[in-house]
Amino acid sequence: GENVEQHPSTLSVQEGDSAVIKCTYSDSASNYFPWYKQELGKGPQLIIDIRSNVGEKKDQRIAVTLNKTAKHFSLHITETQPEDSAVYFCAASFPGGYQKVTFGTGTKLQVIP
Amino acid sequence: GAGVSQSPRYKVAKRGQDVALRCDPISGHVSLFWYQQALGQGPEFLTYFQNEAQLDKSGLPSDRFFAERPEGSVSTLKIQRTQQEDSAVYLCASSIRDSSTDTQYFGPGTRLTVL
Repeated sequence: GENVEQHPSTLSVQEGDSAVIKCTYSDSASNYFPWYKQELGKGPQLIIDIRSNVGEKKDQRIAVTLNKTAKHFSLHITETQPEDSAVYFCAASFPGGYQKVTFGTGTKLQVIP
Repeated sequence: GAGVSQSPRYKVAKRGQDVALRCDPISGHVSLFWYQQALGQGPEFLTYFQNEAQLDKSGLPSDRFFAERPEGSVSTLKIQRTQQEDSAVYLCASSIRDSSTDTQYFGPGTRLTVL
């Protein structure tokens, strides 16, 4: 089955700096890569996603890049704000009906004011 | 509109007790997923429903775990004879269709503690 590795496990940045989280996946058939933000006591919330036919996607301060050859993808958050502090999960899903995702182990991001 | 809701939010059980966890998905959503999230880890897939049909239960850890969605809306995850290793947050998610790229909307989870 699919295996998703995520680094780093914790990340502290100063407010206004950028944060980068990196993930690798094992199954070359995976074609959909969502990123989730989980705040304390809440369920994960989708913040951005990318499909395998696209190399990069941007939404305001958040961007994702995908390298299919190397089987890795990254989340970039620019101009970080204290409210960006949370746990971020990458995930991978392969085609064929419903979305059966495999999650990474998470990155706890702390933005220091 | 209302999101995915789960109840109870917290459950403490003694080892050997049976528990039932409820999920109310977003109205009209076809797909429903259950995940188990251990402390400090990412969610792990347990089972998937398309309407009332349980199409994938490959992630259920043992035959003590049972899920149902009899009318294609509310779902219940039941754990029989709970063990300490069952302690985790159980998340429910729903999506509008059964497409591999539909957004999954997660509930807040039920934190189960087995003593």
